Amino acid sequence: NAGVTQTPKFQVLKTGQSMTLQCAQDMNHEYMSWYRQDPGMGLRLIHYSVGAGITDQGEVPNGYNVSRSTTEDFPLRLLSAAPSQTSVYFCASSYVGTQYFGPGTRLLVL
Amino acid sequence: EDQVTQSPEALRLQEGESSSLNCSYTVSGLRGLFWYRQDPGKGPEFLFTLYSAGEEKEKERLKATLTKKESFLHITAPKPEDSATYLCAVQLIGTGNQFYFGTGTSLTVIP
Repeated sequence: NAGVTQTPKFQVLKTGQSMTLQCAQDMNHEYMSWYRQDPGMGLRLIHYSVGAGITDQGEVPNGYNVSRSTTEDFPLRLLSAAPSQTSVYFCASSYVGTQYFGPGTRLLVL
Repeated sequence: EDQVTQSPEALRLQEGESSSLNCSYTVSGLRGLFWYRQDPGKGPEFLFTLYSAGEEKEKERLKATLTKKESFLHITAPKPEDSATYLCAVQLIGTGNQFYFGTGTSLTVIP
């Protein structure tokens, strides 16, 4: 039981490039979320999903897209990276409110 | 506006010196309050969920309590391995799977 896995662990992008952060869970949880964590700001919700085919925006959705085609996977896409998207990104899946987080992806946009 | 505030931002304790971390919240309707531990370079790890004022949960040297306006995480006789950042988060009624996090308390326990 791997829990929540995220890839890559670290990525450097140039402004304007696109990329997809991968997230997978093997706990059969319906709820999945993406957060970004910045110094002094705490964890902020980007997008979330309540099940396959259903997604919604969180607190800071601009510049990010998500889709949920299966229960297990919830990728986060950056369409045109900006330096303001430099952050640590965490994916989480949850059951009855308790969230289980992945190890994070550290993203640097130059 | 819904807000979650944690204090202090940082706390240094001698091993064995008990203390408390605070999480105060001003929200329209609390569904649940969650405590997490986060080690450097890792994702948050779930500790406790509290749902109603007066509720308490314990795990080893940690005890979490909840009132109508705040939650405390009490650390009794801490050890160096308790050093971490402790996060609290609230889940609001009617928001489904949305959680709002505080900025955390960085705890250092000195041997």
